[in-house]
Amino acid sequence: AQKITQTQPGMFVQEKEAVTLDCTYDTSDPSYGLFWYKQPSSGEMIFLIYQGSYDQQNATEGRYSLNFQKARKSANLVISASQLGDSAMYFCAMRGPYSSASKIIFGSGTRLSIRP
Amino acid sequence: EPEVTQTPSHQVTQMGQEVILRCVPISNHLYFYWYRQILGQKVEFLVSFYNNEISEKSEIFDDQFSVERPDGSNFTLKIRSTKLEDSAMYFCASVRGVASTDTQYFGPGTRLTVL
Repeated sequence: AQKITQTQPGMFVQEKEAVTLDCTYDTSDPSYGLFWYKQPSSGEMIFLIYQGSYDQQNATEGRYSLNFQKARKSANLVISASQLGDSAMYFCAMRGPYSSASKIIFGSGTRLSIRP
Repeated sequence: EPEVTQTPSHQVTQMGQEVILRCVPISNHLYFYWYRQILGQKVEFLVSFYNNEISEKSEIFDDQFSVERPDGSNFTLKIRSTKLEDSAMYFCASVRGVASTDTQYFGPGTRLTVL
């Protein structure tokens, strides 16, 4: 069975600092996709970044990068130069094999608070 | 940029009533999903839908729930005889296909409150 673990329930970071949000996963499937979503206080779920299990390079999207360590089954999100607007809940998630548009399994989330 | 839309944004209902949550997925997407998030908890998968039928459902998705794509654009979740514990945010999501880079895009959610 697939599982996502986020061990940081909450984090406080000073504005303009970089922050790393931890995520580990467990799956027996050789092909899978890893995602990070941001959920601000308004409630919507915003897609941030995606990493495929066969991708050779770590994914990057603007200030977001995913530190993918396949052997350790970790997929940490790195936000560079944090901004006040980054304060939100962040969810790590995993989708099953590429051959199916399967459901996404979410971690419990990390609440990130940026201090001015 | 295309987006998934959901209506209503907030629904208040009395226990025992039926509610229908509506979603309009992105137009060229083929796979549709409903998820739910009870306040303060993680997002849980309810059901996936492809080619006009359910492709997978979770234990939560019992006979109280049903999904339908009544026309070419809407995707609905019906909850019959609502219970207090059905109070949650319900998210619709869609994805274009099964390529490795295809991402599920979520709607803004419908907050359901059962009194």
